[in-house]
Amino acid sequence: SQKIEQNSEALNIQEGKTATLTCNYTNYSPAYLQWYRQDPGRGPVFLLLIRENEKEKRKERLKVTFDTTLKQSLFHITASQPADSATYLCALGDNDMRFGAGTRLTVKP
Amino acid sequence: NAGVTQTPKFQVLKTGQSMTLQCAQDMNHNSMYWYRQDPGMGLRLIYYSASEGTTDKGEVPNGYNVSRLNKREFSLRLESAAPSQTSVYFCASRTPAGGKSTDTQYFGPGTRLTVL
Repeated sequence: SQKIEQNSEALNIQEGKTATLTCNYTNYSPAYLQWYRQDPGRGPVFLLLIRENEKEKRKERLKVTFDTTLKQSLFHITASQPADSATYLCALGDNDMRFGAGTRLTVKP
Repeated sequence: NAGVTQTPKFQVLKTGQSMTLQCAQDMNHNSMYWYRQDPGMGLRLIYYSASEGTTDKGEVPNGYNVSRLNKREFSLRLESAAPSQTSVYFCASRTPAGGKSTDTQYFGPGTRLTVL
């Protein structure tokens, strides 16, 4: 069966450090992968999309990599800030888009 | 431009009661989705509608029905609520008319449902 695993339920880091979140998947051959941010009590908000022919994508302090051989995406937040504290979700699929369970990131001052 | 709106925001039901969750989007999107989110389980797809007039089952459709009333509106109905349906329900939409299917999803604020 298809699975999307975000291997850390929670991640605590110090302000200014780089946060690295992992998304692994099985039984998918995705054309692209997406990352979303979710704050408590709110719906997810889109951050980045990376296609299968892109190794890396950046947006401000965010960087995403996509390795279709390893079936893995890494999501990095550089120079992290307390305002980056949230749950981050990866997602795969087209019309039947599926999400990982998320990683709750806490950035401590 | 309100994006995706959901009503109600909160609801408490007794076991066996029925209710309909409403969702509307004003972005001219073709596709609409219903998810439920439970602690530790992430978002699970209940039903989706790729275009007006079509609906398909997702990962967890049992106990739910949907209606794609028109391009803007997609409702989720619980015919006989059960405590296992206590969850936060999110509606989402995607893909402007004529757009690529790789467009992102836009989510509503959610409906927090408790079934006693």
